[in-house]
Amino acid sequence: SQQGEEDPQALSIQEGENATMNCSYKTSINNLQWYRQNSGRGLVHLILIRSNEREKHSGRLRVTLDTSKKSSSLLITASRAADTASYFCATERQAGTALIFGKGTTLSVSS
Amino acid sequence: IAGITQAPTSQILAAGRRMTLRCTQDMRHNAMYWYRQDLGLGLRLIHYSNTAGTTGKGEVPDGYSVSRANTDDFPLTLASAVPSQTSVYFCASSEQGSYNEQFFGPGTRLTVL
Repeated sequence: SQQGEEDPQALSIQEGENATMNCSYKTSINNLQWYRQNSGRGLVHLILIRSNEREKHSGRLRVTLDTSKKSSSLLITASRAADTASYFCATERQAGTALIFGKGTTLSVSS
Repeated sequence: IAGITQAPTSQILAAGRRMTLRCTQDMRHNAMYWYRQDLGLGLRLIHYSNTAGTTGKGEVPDGYSVSRANTDDFPLTLASAVPSQTSVYFCASSEQGSYNEQFFGPGTRLTVL
């Protein structure tokens, strides 16, 4: 069963705009990770936020985590056409085993 | 070049045939994983291995088997392929367990006719 669910399923924006994607999960977690997948490629790790962290930044990426609401958001600021990809959140299946991925948000950035 | 390699890149297979998808990593990661990705269903875990010599079942293990004879290799075998196993298969690895980032291979596109 899915642990993380992304919202929206698809998002289309113009270059320069900000893109926000949300992830909701069901059970308590140790950390939550965000991944990116370009069409036809494998997933690439973007950022990991631990359960005791509320916000984390990496370049143009900002991730927040609200454990009381069991939700996380990924913000990409000043989007570029190269940000066009699918974005997935992932949480642990069971402690120390493997990740469960959501179905992803497909982001399309047009120039 | 450090990373994960998968072979073949793509394969068309007749139903009933046996097929092994290969995965090799050179990062000396303890944990390795196999996922399948299907449109509308996201990534689903097939099998995983936390360390050489051990394996575990994921969400969708039926029809698949794995082995982990050494740290670097984690082959996935379809004993008798069926059309529902048509998918893109990704191998991944991580240093130790799911609390670390996973590194993904480029994927194998498998079509079972």
